Parts: sequence; C-alpha cells; structure tokens
Amino acid sequence: GAGVSQSPSNKVTEKGKDVELRCDPISGHTALYWYRQRLGQGLEFLIYFQGNSAPDKSGLPSDRFSAERTGESVSTLTIQRTQQEDSAVYLCASSIGSGGDEQYFGPGTRLTVT
Amino acid sequence: SQQGEEDPQALSIQEGENATMNCSYKTSINNLQWYRQNSGRGLVHLILIRSNEREKHSGRLRVTLDTSKKSSSLLITASRAADTASYFCATKGRNYKLTFGKGTLLTVNP
Repeated sequence: GAGVSQSPSNKVTEKGKDVELRCDPISGHTALYWYRQRLGQGLEFLIYFQGNSAPDKSGLPSDRFSAERTGESVSTLTIQRTQQEDSAVYLCASSIGSGGDEQYFGPGTRLTVT
Repeated sequence: SQQGEEDPQALSIQEGENATMNCSYKTSINNLQWYRQNSGRGLVHLILIRSNEREKHSGRLRVTLDTSKKSSSLLITASRAADTASYFCATKGRNYKLTFGKGTLLTVNP
C-alpha cells in the first residue's frame, strides 16, 4: 500500500515568509510525528498526534512553529516568519497507534530559507 | 540532549567486509531500533530489539543489546555498495517517543 507522503519535496523561501508543509500518513495509522533534521545531525522531535487526543507539542522550538491534524489523516506543519536557522529537512512519520513501535517515515521536505 | 549516541560517526569499508556500528544510551528503554537513511531523506526501519532480548538477526543484520552497559551494536555482514547510508539508533521508553542519535555514516566502497 501507499507509504507516508510529504509535500513539497523541496521548498525555498525568503526569510520572514510563512511556509506550510504537508504530511499524508499511512491509512489507518493513528499516530503521527514530525521531526526536524539539520544537516549532518540526528532527528529532533517536534510534535506528536495520537487520534483525537491533545497533541504533544513539547518539541516545537518556538511559537513560530505550529501543526494541525485533521482527525487521523493529513497533518500540516506551519512555520511563520521563517529564519535561516529553520533550514532543515522536515520528516513526518506515522505508526499504528501510540503503542506502535515501528515508525514509517515519509521522504521529507527540504526547507531552505534564504 | 540525544538519548542515543552512535559510534563511530563515519565508517568506510570495502565491499564484502563486515561493518559494526555501536550505540550508547542513558536511560532505561522499552526497545531499541535501528534505522537507515539514504541521501538525507526518509528513514527506513531495519530492526527492533526489546529490552529483554540480547541478540536478534534479520538477513545480513545482527543486533545485540546489553542493557547493563546501555549499549547496542549493529553488524552488517558481507557489505554491499548499496548499504552505503547513514544508520541511526533510536530508543523507545515507556511512552511513544523515539529518541534518535546523530547517526553513523557508512560508506561501502566497491
């Protein structure tokens, strides 16, 4: 079946602009995660959605970052007033419920802020 | 700070050789997972080992876990050029969160 998809695959934006990144999880996966990966680094947890529960936003680096998810489907990550330090690959993953051990990752969105 | 720390940061070997990567972590875990990442994009799950397991095999992969030393190793046998990638360990505690290390960049030269 279809895996996790993300769009756009690449995004170049000017400093100060807002960007919206999209993630389509695997159908039936109730848990969805966003991560940020800076060049040559590991993954930083940003936010977690599980069904209709309140999301865990503890990893969001500033109030310029926000994310939404409609039910158990699409999620969008919004970065307002982008800064150069926001340049990174943003990865989305989904899993079967909160007890799902294995996470399935999308291909990521490479964001470049100029 | 990162829970998992991989060692070495980079490893270069010849095709056919074995590659060993290590991961250390700090707090108690439910399980430890290894992922592969090609070209800085999406990660692919390779293998999971639970805290009550000591060794696990999957094809050319062998993972060990020593909870007393809070460490794990990933062995790739008979490496191929296609194994060239970054490898990350990720630890899972009681909750849903996976905490990733910075990864080992493996280069397999043909």
